[in-house]
Amino acid sequence: DVQLVESGGGLVKPGGSLRLSCVASGFTFNTYTINWVRQAPGKGLEWISSISSGNDYIYYADSLKGRFTISRDNAQNSVFLQMNSLTVEDTAVYFCARTERAYDSWGQGTLVTVS
Amino acid sequence: AIQLTQSPSSLSASVGDRVTITCRASQGIGTYLAWYQQKPGKAPNLLIYDASSLQSGAPSRFSGSGSGTDFTLTISSLHPEDFATYYCQQFKSYPETFGPGTTLNIK
Repeated sequence: DVQLVESGGGLVKPGGSLRLSCVASGFTFNTYTINWVRQAPGKGLEWISSISSGNDYIYYADSLKGRFTISRDNAQNSVFLQMNSLTVEDTAVYFCARTERAYDSWGQGTLVTVS
Repeated sequence: AIQLTQSPSSLSASVGDRVTITCRASQGIGTYLAWYQQKPGKAPNLLIYDASSLQSGAPSRFSGSGSGTDFTLTISSLHPEDFATYYCQQFKSYPETFGPGTTLNIK
């Protein structure tokens, strides 16, 4: 079965940093684009970053203002999101998702609280 | 960036009702549109991709249509488990934006 598992969330003070991980299994990881999407409490979904299968293409939401960095390690079936200079507005559940025509598989999410 | 709007933002309906949700893009996106269902505390679940293709495992009472700038998601006959929030998302270009969501409540 396709599985994506996020980790690395937690409580951090404003100005701090966190590194999220998304570990995949059940599919040929190095052939898929992986994405990060977040959802602030009680709010909608916000796309924040995507990384192509071979690291060729990386995209970020303009709202991040260069504070986040996405990367992947295909040998470890993992994608990472380094988040710096966190603000209270970054408080959200962070999901990773696989692109197969659309976002067909999602992790359960990891909660990041900036306070 | 391509903006998506959804209408209505919320609606109340009863089991057995036929429901339609609309998604409008700020510019033409062909059929590069998907629909998701999300229940509280859960990850979104893909229902429709390429505007009208039913994702494997999604119930056949869900259907999508449209192209260009105007799209619809239709639930032909509401089941109790369909009360949730629905989002559209465009894949024409990055950022792959989501619509603001439509919450479907029990009447």
